[in-house]
Amino acid sequence: DTGVSQNPRHKITKRGQNVTFRCDPISEHNRLYWYRQTLGQGPEFLTYFQNEAQLEKSRLLSDRFSAERPKGSFSTLEIQRTEQGDSAMYLCASSLAAVNYGYTFGSGTRLTVV
Amino acid sequence: QKEVEQDPGPLSVPEGAIVSLNCTYSNSAFQYFMWYRQYSRKGPELLMYTYSSGNKEDGRFTAQVDKSSKYISLFIRDSQPSDSATYLCALMTTDSWGKFQFGAGTQVVVTP
Repeated sequence: DTGVSQNPRHKITKRGQNVTFRCDPISEHNRLYWYRQTLGQGPEFLTYFQNEAQLEKSRLLSDRFSAERPKGSFSTLEIQRTEQGDSAMYLCASSLAAVNYGYTFGSGTRLTVV
Repeated sequence: QKEVEQDPGPLSVPEGAIVSLNCTYSNSAFQYFMWYRQYSRKGPELLMYTYSSGNKEDGRFTAQVDKSSKYISLFIRDSQPSDSATYLCALMTTDSWGKFQFGAGTQVVVTP
């Protein structure tokens, strides 16, 4: 598989529960990005990693959100104490640091908080 | 005011017509301009990437950038029903690799 893989594809959770999403980037890509997309809007940047280092976080990423990329491979995005406003598509993308256009997105994880 | 403005549509065209899409932006620091296609419940897929002002053509797709007017366009020739999707412009500055500012996306419907 040469694409970006995200799991699960869809997650329904009750308000207040914690959820975790996983992203497996293209294997040779050293940069990994998380975006959030709500209905009718374009994706919004959340955070990105170069290898295992988290280099930037958006102010959209409240303290209930945490992302990790252990060993610079897959990444996880955890949301604690979910709120209805967290309902969105969470997209992961990866790229090579040396290439400024080759960003490949996964199909996303759709989160529904009820 | 958003940094990137894009008409949400929907834009409905008959098969074979030219689809014309555009975005305007306010930040002159944007130097990289991309167009993504997004099918329902899928991730965005890169269509076109441009750096400088001018035109870039790839098959049925032409991207135009006018930095002086802060205006970018995407044209799709000989549109097909399979082109029905949401088209997103994505802009990036030189010091924010991968941190795109996306437009809201324009929904395009190509009718047979």
